[in-house]
Amino acid sequence: DAKTTQPPSMDCAEGRAANLPCNHSTISGNEYVYWYRQIHSQGPQYIIHGLKNNETNEMASLIITEDRKSSTLILPHATLRDTAVYYCIVRVARNTDKLIFGTGTRLQVFP
Amino acid sequence: NAGVMQNPRHLVRRRGQEARLRCSPMKGHSHVYWYRQLPEEGLKFMVYLQKENIIDESGMPKERFSAEFPKEGPSILRIQQVVRGDSAAYFCASLGPNTGELFFGEGSRLTVL
Repeated sequence: DAKTTQPPSMDCAEGRAANLPCNHSTISGNEYVYWYRQIHSQGPQYIIHGLKNNETNEMASLIITEDRKSSTLILPHATLRDTAVYYCIVRVARNTDKLIFGTGTRLQVFP
Repeated sequence: NAGVMQNPRHLVRRRGQEARLRCSPMKGHSHVYWYRQLPEEGLKFMVYLQKENIIDESGMPKERFSAEFPKEGPSILRIQQVVRGDSAAYFCASLGPNTGELFFGEGSRLTVL
């Protein structure tokens, strides 16, 4: 079973920041938070991952609370192409175990 | 560096036929994962393989489904005697060696008539 909880859906206006929350209250000390997204039936795409520090790359920022029980994925300037299902997953990095996908958050970006 | 390649992208089979789906991981990747996504549902893990070994097949149906990843060549997901309920998108992923990131292919969409 997935170890994360996400809202089923969210809306965001184009050009605004999209903030996608994720709860992972049972996360272990050696588990990272990974984010993937799936754009309309394409293969899932890796976005970002982090352990306890905030992370940023060209796609998004990841903010992890100090107690690590929750995190937020931020798409700073959402575009219509960011409409997708976003999955938050916890796992040990550099580990070969399978990724377990939950139901994710369906983000709809509107004009 | 080519990404994960899956073929065929679309496959149509009649009930009772066999389906073979192929996956070539990214260069240098030796871990392959297969997932299935039924229409309007989430991704479900099926099987994890390394070269010549099945590591975790806890998500594979007990009958008709098999997978292999030979020393040479792509990984194969084989479905025998397909039924309509096998209609789905089948995704393959390979594991990046450093970060634990999975790289996914674009999937193979099986339709059983």
